Amino acid sequence: GIQVEQSPPDLILQEGANSTLRCNFSDSVNNLQWFHQNPWGQLINLFYIPSGTKQNGRLSATTVATERYSLLYISSSQTTDSGVYFCAVATNSGYSTLTFGKGTMLLVSP
Amino acid sequence: GAGVSQTPSNKVTEKGKYVELRCDPISGHTALYWYRQSLGQGPEFLIYFQGTGAADDSGLPNDRFFAVRPEGSVSTLKIQRTERGDSAVYLCASSLSLAGEQFFGPGTRLTVL
Repeated sequence: GIQVEQSPPDLILQEGANSTLRCNFSDSVNNLQWFHQNPWGQLINLFYIPSGTKQNGRLSATTVATERYSLLYISSSQTTDSGVYFCAVATNSGYSTLTFGKGTMLLVSP
Repeated sequence: GAGVSQTPSNKVTEKGKYVELRCDPISGHTALYWYRQSLGQGPEFLIYFQGTGAADDSGLPNDRFFAVRPEGSVSTLKIQRTERGDSAVYLCASSLSLAGEQFFGPGTRLTVL
C-alpha cells in the first residue's frame, strides 16, 4: 500500500514562531488532507488539498502532486496550535480510504 | 448542520464480551468509514460503506469484527469476544462522495479489561 512519511516527528516552538511540516507519499493520490488532533482526540479538518495551495488565516498548505509531497505552514504560532498534526492520503485506485502518517507532535510554549 | 456523532464516547468492557459502537454521519453523506487509532499512532482504516453496502472491509482485523449500515445512514460496528488488544479509539468519518473530504467524529474510546 501507499507509504506516508511525516517530518519532523516532534517540534517545539516558542509562541510567535513559524514552522513547516512536511508529508511525503509514495504513490499518486486523489485525496490529501491535513488534520489537527486536539488534546481531546478530535480530528479537526485543516485542509483538503490533493493539489495546489490554500490558505486559512495563519495556516497554509501546498501539495505538489507530481513530486509526491505536501507542506503545512504555521505562522505566528500560538499555544492553542499545540497537538498532533496528521497528513492523510488516498490513492487513485480503491475507495478513497485514508492512509495516515505517524503525525508531527507540536508543542508551542508561551 | 451537525457533524459526525459517535456513541458511546467511552466504553469499558470485560474480555470476551460483545460491544456495539454507533456512528451517525453528516446528513446526506453517502460514504461512511470506520478507522481505529491506537495510542501514539495515526488512525488505521477498518471498513468503508457506500450507501448500505460494505464496499471495502479489507481493514477489519479478523472475523470478530463486523459492521452494518442497514438504511444507508447510521452505522454500527460490532465486536464479538473482545480481547485486550481491541482497546483503542474507534473513529467514524463520512464524506459527501467518493474521494471527497472526510469529516471525523469524536470517537469511541474502547477499553477491554
